[in-house]
Amino acid sequence: DTAVSQTPKYLVTQMGNDKSIKCEQNLGHDTMYWYKQDSKKFLKIMFSYNNKELIINETVPNRFSPKSPDKAHLNLHINSLELGDSAVYFCASSQDLGRHYGYTFGSGTRLTVV
Amino acid sequence: AQRVTQPEKLLSVFKGAPVELKCNYSYSGSPELFWYVQYSRQRLQLLLRHISRESIKGFTADLNKGETSFHLKKPFAQEEDSAMYYCALSPLTGGFKTIFGAGTRLFVKA
Repeated sequence: DTAVSQTPKYLVTQMGNDKSIKCEQNLGHDTMYWYKQDSKKFLKIMFSYNNKELIINETVPNRFSPKSPDKAHLNLHINSLELGDSAVYFCASSQDLGRHYGYTFGSGTRLTVV
Repeated sequence: AQRVTQPEKLLSVFKGAPVELKCNYSYSGSPELFWYVQYSRQRLQLLLRHISRESIKGFTADLNKGETSFHLKKPFAQEEDSAMYYCALSPLTGGFKTIFGAGTRLFVKA
């Protein structure tokens, strides 16, 4: 009974392609996030939605576009993929904006751009 | 500005030895501090949070506001503790962006 599930787990694609990663949480949390983990394991926030409203939008190329159809789903669409986009992308969710209870993470999507 | 610093990229200890993973933070307001663990090729999991003052898998962490530190400690390391550990700060007031440190890889040798 996975709390935060991401699909796909692995994604190998060519430069220039467009791809999407999906995330769903069944915890009833109000806030969802996308994080990028690079090859050095550094975690960087990309986006956050609270009740379907975008509340964090870090300096991320316009090729990345999040979409939250409802508060249980947060998808990430990436246009014109580049080699530097290769990373592990983690979805996460939280209640109370993560202030007291922290985040629940998905298992990650390993994106490889060739 | 919010900042979380984990000064060690890699920490290697022998099984049974004490371990301390350092975390220092910079934040002008009132923070909540967390430790997350990521085992090899797995998701990040919340290990412990300051507010609950709990001990999980033998790990504890004490918030030292004077030194602005939240070091993670375990008296006797086990091989299964080998993982990536992230310290994180969440503002209780004046913002809602959780900041993660760069992470420390703990390697426990047999």
